[in-house]
Amino acid sequence: QSALTQPPSVSGSPGQSVTISCTGTSSDVGTYNRVSWYQQPPGTAPKLMIYEVSNRPSGVPDRFSGSKSGNTASLTISGLQAEDEADYYCSSYTISSTFVFGTGTKVTVL
Amino acid sequence: QVQLVESGGGVVQPGRSLRLSCTASRLTFRNYGMHWVRQAPGKGLEWVGIIYYDGSNKYYADSVKGRFAISRDNSKNTLYLQMNSLRAEDTALYYCATDRALSYFDYWGQGTLVSVSS
Repeated sequence: QSALTQPPSVSGSPGQSVTISCTGTSSDVGTYNRVSWYQQPPGTAPKLMIYEVSNRPSGVPDRFSGSKSGNTASLTISGLQAEDEADYYCSSYTISSTFVFGTGTKVTVL
Repeated sequence: QVQLVESGGGVVQPGRSLRLSCTASRLTFRNYGMHWVRQAPGKGLEWVGIIYYDGSNKYYADSVKGRFAISRDNSKNTLYLQMNSLRAEDTALYYCATDRALSYFDYWGQGTLVSVSS
């Protein structure tokens, strides 16, 4: 049950796009489309942003999008805004009927 | 709006036990699988375990298997986490979250803090 690998940090200026990668294995990301993404501003509970690779819950801006290729999933934030500054985590279901989170990525808006 | 409220956290000595609760409101609790997720201070999210909507199946992270047990009382809309043989590395903010389709966590509580220290 090793954590999925994410870059520790990404940054961009307002209006730019940033992409966060989430690399797993054939035991999790590579086998299931059950990849989700969570936003966590400091001191708050995580919030669902993307589910099942590329679906947005109601209320999440369409600036947030997700994709997957092989063992790697990605979250893209287009038109970056100051309010997007937070930690982001991916998650996947696994072949062991468990779940695993990513290592987390801090998004900084310059 | 769905509400999940965790309770039962506190300071406990290594080797002792603690039971956390998560009470749900404004949702049909018996229809939801439920997760526990924890976050050590300054660290990332770690999945702890899941219990299916009817309690028929439970799965745990290797780090807590054999020490932690998840249960639920659907008549009380409450989820539990029994934590035994606690270690310093179990110190964390513990969240409960609802499961959707064994795929994602859609509603989260605000967490309860557990500190394991002598």
